[in-house]
Amino acid sequence: NAGVTQTPKFQVLKTGQSMTLQCAQDMNHNSMYWYRQDPGMGLRLIYYSASEGTTDKGEVPNGYNVSRLNKREFSLRLESAAPSQTSVYFCASSLGTEPTPRGNTIYFGEGSWLTVV
Amino acid sequence: AQSVTQLGSHVSVSEGALVLLRCNYSSSVPPYLFWYVQYPNQGLQLLLKYTSAATLVKGINGFEAEFKKSETSFHLTKPSAHMSDAAEYFCAVTRGVAGRRALTFGSGTRLQVQP
Repeated sequence: NAGVTQTPKFQVLKTGQSMTLQCAQDMNHNSMYWYRQDPGMGLRLIYYSASEGTTDKGEVPNGYNVSRLNKREFSLRLESAAPSQTSVYFCASSLGTEPTPRGNTIYFGEGSWLTVV
Repeated sequence: AQSVTQLGSHVSVSEGALVLLRCNYSSSVPPYLFWYVQYPNQGLQLLLKYTSAATLVKGINGFEAEFKKSETSFHLTKPSAHMSDAAEYFCAVTRGVAGRRALTFGSGTRLQVQP
């Protein structure tokens, strides 16, 4: 069961370089999310896509762009990487955004470790 | 705005002891609340969720949480800790407007279980 797959798992970038984190889900989910995790700060939402064709800013969108390429894929791009973007990035997906007693659980990928030097 | 506060970044208990991880929320509307667990070098896994169906929510691995509106709390408990419960636990609340919501997470509580 693949679930949510993120690539790459590890990446080292130089300041000013650009890169794209790829995410794909095979659960036919409508909603997808990108979070970053930093020590002592929990997970912070960068961007999310409630459904194909829509994207919304989260808590910390500055320095990032996203593309909902199709229903399966949601990519996160760093146009000009900065050391402050050193973090662990998690992609996640859910059937929808409305929590219900039986559905719309959010499923997470295993994370992408990004270091900007 | 909706947010959650987790009291205690580290909690240590002995194996077999009660586990209590605290979470308080602030919300201007009835919230949807969640507890997630993260094992080392892994993504997050849902433990349980409150979506107004019942105030006492039972989750996986013997965990449960009680929604207390008067205290704006959603504390996570387990009667008897096991070594395998050592992990980081996150409380989360939904934010956004209907149809376009996402989770906002607390800062996390790392649970240590001593033999």
